[in-house]
Amino acid sequence: GQNIDQPTEMTATEGAIVQINCTYQTSGFNGLFWYQQHAGEAPTFLSYNVLDGLEEKGRFSSFLSRSKGYSYLLLKELQMKDSASYLCAAVDSNYQLIWGAGTKLIIKP
Amino acid sequence: DVKVTQSSRYLVKRTGEKVFLECVQDMDHENMFWYRQDPGLGLRLIYFSYDVKMKEKGDIPEGYSVSREKKERFSLILESASTNQTSMYLCASTPGTEGSGANVLTFGAGSRLTVL
Repeated sequence: GQNIDQPTEMTATEGAIVQINCTYQTSGFNGLFWYQQHAGEAPTFLSYNVLDGLEEKGRFSSFLSRSKGYSYLLLKELQMKDSASYLCAAVDSNYQLIWGAGTKLIIKP
Repeated sequence: DVKVTQSSRYLVKRTGEKVFLECVQDMDHENMFWYRQDPGLGLRLIYFSYDVKMKEKGDIPEGYSVSREKKERFSLILESASTNQTSMYLCASTPGTEGSGANVLTFGAGSRLTVL
């Protein structure tokens, strides 16, 4: 079957770095998305990786290893506004999205 | 700057009532989707549409139907609401061709439905 795993909740300190992991098992693979969702709001796009490696976008970076079925989202210089849920979603061979349950990130002062 | 609008943010309905959830996008997107979001579960696709008057079942279509009479509007209908349909419902859209699931989704803010 198809499956996405990510931690349910993580806590980090303002100004620090946090890495949110996501592992996936899909029938075929056409890339992986990360979305951010603040409580009560719409999910918003953060990144899309289809090739192996690290892509940096300001304070946020996303990494993909296709051979390991693994991705992570790296958040640097954490700010209180980064408190949110982070959703991982893999694209399968039929171009359908398989979603993880999301990781709730709590930032403490 | 609003791109996907869900008209009802919070609804409370009774078991057996008919419920309409409306979604409108102003980006001229071809594809529209309805998901439900429940704690501890990933987003689950209910229905999607790649064109006007076209609809496809997602992973959990039972108990739901949809309507897409105009390109910008995609409605989710619960013919007879049940308590297990209490959930957050998210509408989303993408540009591009059918099956191009690598397009970025633009989501609405969600409609939280409680069925008593």
